[in-house]
Amino acid sequence: AQKITQTQPGMFVQEKEAVTLDCTYDTSDQSYGLFWYKQPSSGEMIFLIYQGSYDEQNATEGRYSLNFQKARKSANLVISASQLGDSAMYFCAMREGLEGGGNKLTFGTGTQLKVEL
Amino acid sequence: GAVVSQHPSWVICKSGTSVKIECRSLDFQATTMFWYRQFPKQSLMLMATSNEGSKATYEQGVEKDKFLINHASLTLSTLTVTSAHPEDSSFYICSANGVPGQNTEAFFGQGTRLTVV
Repeated sequence: AQKITQTQPGMFVQEKEAVTLDCTYDTSDQSYGLFWYKQPSSGEMIFLIYQGSYDEQNATEGRYSLNFQKARKSANLVISASQLGDSAMYFCAMREGLEGGGNKLTFGTGTQLKVEL
Repeated sequence: GAVVSQHPSWVICKSGTSVKIECRSLDFQATTMFWYRQFPKQSLMLMATSNEGSKATYEQGVEKDKFLINHASLTLSTLTVTSAHPEDSSFYICSANGVPGQNTEAFFGQGTRLTVV
């Protein structure tokens, strides 16, 4: 079974609009972490936002927010006020268990976001 | 934030030769680093966990004799693709934690695009 599922291979959004990228996860661990990364065509992985399983509040980082619904095992990324530079591949990832061994991540298949004028 | 430097950013090699990729943590010590591989238009797949001073842990299906990992110091891990073949052509990227004990981010190198001809 897939541990991280991103059901949207591609998304389009108009500049200045908000967009939600979906992510659901599957784990039996009580302690885990959820990450979103942006990967432009250059290939680098740019960290966007992190949500810990015990965090009661949804994480926010500037224009990025994470809609964490623990019971539904979803961790959707919301990008507000989209910009042309947001066009990239977006990956949801999960670390299972405590950090002790480091952030060993399982990635979803990604969503290609295209921001249009 | 913490910086992870990966070198080279791209390499072209002949089939049958070996290629070494370096991953350095520039401003922190990383006892654990991770190596991922990404084929075109696919997700990142964990290959192995690199442990300073001990043997690497390989994921199922990854040939340890083909992908040699050495983590000889707290700031450097190397991945050597031995006897490379065209099917090894891929994007290889490493990651390391920032400050030990922090869960909130995995820092990635810039990645290495390997082309075997």
